[in-house]
Formats: sequence, C-alpha cells, structure tokens
Amino acid sequence: QLQLQESGPGLVKPSETLSLTCTVSGGSISSSSYYWGWIRQPPGKGLEWIGSIYYSGSTYYNPSLKSRVTISVDTSKNQFSLKLSSVTAADTAVYYCARHLVAASFDIWGQGTMVTVSS
Amino acid sequence: SSELTQDPAVSVALGQTVRITCQGDSLRSYYASWYQQKPGQAPVLVIYGKNNRPSGIPDRFSGSSSGNTASLTITGAQAEDEADYYCNSRDSSGNLVVFGGGTKLTVL
Repeated sequence: QLQLQESGPGLVKPSETLSLTCTVSGGSISSSSYYWGWIRQPPGKGLEWIGSIYYSGSTYYNPSLKSRVTISVDTSKNQFSLKLSSVTAADTAVYYCARHLVAASFDIWGQGTMVTVSS
Repeated sequence: SSELTQDPAVSVALGQTVRITCQGDSLRSYYASWYQQKPGQAPVLVIYGKNNRPSGIPDRFSGSSSGNTASLTITGAQAEDEADYYCNSRDSSGNLVVFGGGTKLTVL
C-alpha cells in the first residue's frame, strides 16, 4: 500500500532554511486524483497546513507562510519537497507530509519528523 | 487564527454518545474531514465527504453537517477513542486548506 516518509535534518539554525523531502512508495506521485501536502504541528499545539502541490507542479500555500515557503515535486524520484526560509524558534514542530484529494481530505500521512530550530 | 472553530475539550462517559463540532463559513460550501490523533502518532482520517469512513474505521464514527457547522459523532464511545480530533476543509475561497484548532476528547 501507499506509504509516505519524511526525511531531512532534525536541527536547523535560526535564519537558515529548513529542507525536508517526502518519499512516496507503493504508488505513483503522478496520480491525477491527488495532491501532496505538508502539515506541521508545534509541540502541544494543533495542526497547521503549510501548502500542497499537484504532480504537474501547481502549488498552493498557506498565506501566513507563503513568503517563506517553496514546495516542489520530482516525479522521477517519486518525491516532493519543502523549503522554509528564515526560520525561527516558532517554526519548531513535527512536520508531516500527506496525500489529499481536492476536497482537502488527507487520507495517507507520513509518520512525521521533528524539526527543532536552535543555535 | 483558524477559520474553523472547535471546542478545546469534550468528555464522554464510556459507552455513551458524543458529538464534536466544527464551525466555519467554508462549511456552507465544503464538507469537513475529521482526523483522530493519539499522542505521538500521526493523524488518522476517520470521516470525509458527506459521511464516509475510510477502510478500518469503526462504524461508531459518523459525520453530519448543517449550515456552517460540521459534526463528528461517536456512538458508544470506547476507551480507545480518547484522542485529539481535528476537522478540516477547504477555506472560503476554495483554494486553500484550513484546520480547526482541535478538540481533546476524554472518555470517562
């Protein structure tokens, strides 16, 4: 069955760029039915949608993060990636990648990866 | 701030029925999806669309909607249903995704 796995550094310095990759296995990222998204959850807090991408490369970002976020897709590697620039301690969170339908139902999630912003 | 509003905490006696609500203007146009999250785990989709359950989700979970309010109902709550529950949908513009702030469900 389809699985998603996040990877990337667990520690990022303030003002630097957070970079994560989500690898999709057991299915194709090029399916026309789905979008691929990033969601984060600060410790003890709720879920926050960061943005999503379609396999064609169309992107949709949370307005509150849009100026710092870039999401890209590499269909040849069956991966999509997140870059968040100029990070601060407020960006410390568990970052999840997930698949969703156009209706925003996230049906398959990665296990999540904790990213801490600290010097 | 979230465009979807949930009560922070709800409790239910074991075996009883509980309703968790989610309010927002976008819910007049779009269905909500509901997620269950247990400590240290990724969220799990439990309800989507009008009232659809993914494979493996018990039928004691159901969804409904009226006006700007979506509801998740657990009929006969079990101890294992104690978790945080989040709603989400598209935003009012239809272009973006929003999540509610979450509801912590305690089963007494």
